[in-house]
Amino acid sequence: DAGITQSPRHKVTETGTPVTLRCHQTENHRYMYWYRQDPGHGLRLIHYSYGVKDTDKGEVSDGYSVSRSKTEDFLLTLESATSSQTSVYFCAISGAPQNYGYTFGSGTRLTVV
Amino acid sequence: AQSVTQLDSQVPVFEEAPVELRCNYSSSVSVYLFWYVQYPNQGLQLLLKYLSGSTLVKGINGFEAEFNKSQTSFHLRKPSVHISDTAEYFCAVSRHLTQGGSEKLVFGKGTKLTVNP
Repeated sequence: DAGITQSPRHKVTETGTPVTLRCHQTENHRYMYWYRQDPGHGLRLIHYSYGVKDTDKGEVSDGYSVSRSKTEDFLLTLESATSSQTSVYFCAISGAPQNYGYTFGSGTRLTVV
Repeated sequence: AQSVTQLDSQVPVFEEAPVELRCNYSSSVSVYLFWYVQYPNQGLQLLLKYLSGSTLVKGINGFEAEFNKSQTSFHLRKPSVHISDTAEYFCAVSRHLTQGGSEKLVFGKGTKLTVNP
């Protein structure tokens, strides 16, 4: 979507390697989120950020870490990738108040082999 | 905490037929409500939202939804669907916070709409 980009769009990695996904926004929005989408589970929140250096865990945060050193960038790191982390990852952004709705990126399809 | 239930995981319909995708929520306080659509291999995009005011909300692509507080529902409808409406649809809810601040959205698990010729 306009104003939010995710990179890479596709990635294949080996089990045990670290992986970093990037979310970049040009909207100067305060809130940023990382979700994973898996069949039968819908969207599940991994981590979110409510400002620079302010982050918190979502419902499926084990095995993931995040960093936000600038307003525009929110990085998701899989510290040691496992096959269970094969998924499609979406970033979303929101202005304040955050419950007025989110804008989503196009997603990163990650395959761990 | 609030929760969202999308009652049908899959809905097949024929082209030009009407469709209703059902969404129920649970919350003890007032809520904001949303429908998002996800076309194959794309991200989610906002279809429509209810924040306040008229309970009938019109969105993009001819979709509309009605907020029913007594039934805690926010069903999505379209009177005549097209092949291009084939997608997954997500309902989402968040609570009003009268003391200030805001809350994250909670998403349902999605409904896959398949429109057949």
